[in-house]
Amino acid sequence: GEDVEQSLFLSVREGDSSVINCTYTDSSSTYLYWYKQEPGAGLQLLTYIFSNMDMKQDQRLTVLLNKKDKHLSLRIADTQTGDSAIYFCAEKGGANNLFFGTGTRLTVIP
Amino acid sequence: EAQVTQNPRYLITVTGKKLTVTCSQNMNHEYMSWYRQDPGLGLRQIYYSMNVEVTDKGDVPEGYKVSRKEKRNFPLILESPSPNQTSLYFCASSPSQGSGKGEQFFGPGTRLTVL
Repeated sequence: GEDVEQSLFLSVREGDSSVINCTYTDSSSTYLYWYKQEPGAGLQLLTYIFSNMDMKQDQRLTVLLNKKDKHLSLRIADTQTGDSAIYFCAEKGGANNLFFGTGTRLTVIP
Repeated sequence: EAQVTQNPRYLITVTGKKLTVTCSQNMNHEYMSWYRQDPGLGLRQIYYSMNVEVTDKGDVPEGYKVSRKEKRNFPLILESPSPNQTSLYFCASSPSQGSGKGEQFFGPGTRLTVL
């Protein structure tokens, strides 16, 4: 599969912004995704960005895409304790397959 | 409610004892997939299926089998489980390629321990 990389851990204080970074390899990916996994649960789609976009904003979430550097980031404004979870970056490959990163465990400190 | 269900949610078994983890979706999705999640490795794809009777290997298919006899079901079979298959397993489904953003819908996971 494709090589999608993320840092494993991130800690932030409640109310601060969180930035989770991801690098991917397939420049032909049409969609890139951020999934959230809460403790003991499956993955849920948080947001996504189409490859011809540079930025997408959805309430407290901002996704930035740098196609030249194959870099994707997720910014969470005003991070809350309920945002504590594992966040997975994923790129869409052929045949509807998704290639996931290692996941970043976000810990929000009250 | 649109959902992907997996059974069992938790399973402890012994080496060599055949087991099946079931996966079912009620969204009429053509595409289904199995992943395993291990610490520090993220999700790795085991097998996927584009439609009934069509299955393909993912990145880590060794030791696993699948079947897709009906559109809604995609069971994962471990013929002779080994301890290195201890993991958290997720089933996912998606509408067919080309229809929308390709979002995959995940089941709640099956935690398997092989002693």
